[in-house]
Amino acid sequence: DAGVIQSPRHEVTEMGQEVTLRCKPISGHDYLFWYRQTMMRGLELLIYFNNNVPIDDSGMPEDRFSAKMPNASFSTLKIQPSEPRDSAVYFCASSYISGANVLTFGAGSRLTVL
Amino acid sequence: GENVEQHPSTLSVQEGDSAVIKCTYSDSASNYFPWYKQELGKRPQLIIDIRSNVGEKKDQRIAVTLNKTAKHFSLHITETQPEDSAVYFCAPGGIWGGSEKLVFGKGTKLTVNP
Repeated sequence: DAGVIQSPRHEVTEMGQEVTLRCKPISGHDYLFWYRQTMMRGLELLIYFNNNVPIDDSGMPEDRFSAKMPNASFSTLKIQPSEPRDSAVYFCASSYISGANVLTFGAGSRLTVL
Repeated sequence: GENVEQHPSTLSVQEGDSAVIKCTYSDSASNYFPWYKQELGKRPQLIIDIRSNVGEKKDQRIAVTLNKTAKHFSLHITETQPEDSAVYFCAPGGIWGGSEKLVFGKGTKLTVNP
C-alpha cells in the first residue's frame, strides 16, 4: 500500500478563495482523521469519520470549514472562504480498530493564505 | 474532553545522555498511550505505545512507562543520538470501546547535541 495520500502538498491562495484538500486513506482502514498543525496550537483534531460517517466534528473551527467522505477511499476538507489565520499544515490520518488506534499520517498539505 | 499536558516543552541533551518526557492526562477512561515522533518537515509517526494493562514497554533504546493511578506516562530515550532530534507527541486515548479519537499533547522539542 502507498500509505495515506494527500493532495495538494502545497497550496498558496488569496484570502476569500475556496480551498479543497484531499485525502486517500489506506485501503481497509475504517477511521479517517483530519488534523491541523500550527506552531501556536500544535496538532488539533478537526473531525473524524468511521466507515465514512462523521463521528465528531467538534474541532472544526467554524462554518467556513466542512469535510466529507463520500466513500471509503476518499475524503475532502474544504475551507470557504479562506482567511490568513487558516494557514497551517493539514494532516489526514487513517487507522483501523483492532485493539489499538494506531494512526498512519499522510505527508500533509501546507496551506498558505495571503 | 481529554486534557493533555507534556513536559518539558523543550529539552536539550548531549549525545549519549538520556531523555525523559512526561505526559499527563485527565480522562481516567483512557487505556491506550502512544508516543509519536515528528522530524522537521515530516509527518508524525508512531514510535512506541502501551496499553493500560501493562506498566512498561521497551523497544531497544526507547521505553514507555505508565502510572494509571497518577494519570501520567513517560517516554524514555537512552543513549541519545543526533537522529533522535525531533518533536515528540503523546496522544492518550481509548481502545476497546473507549473514545477512538486521540488528543495530542503540544509536543516536546528534543535536541541532541553532538
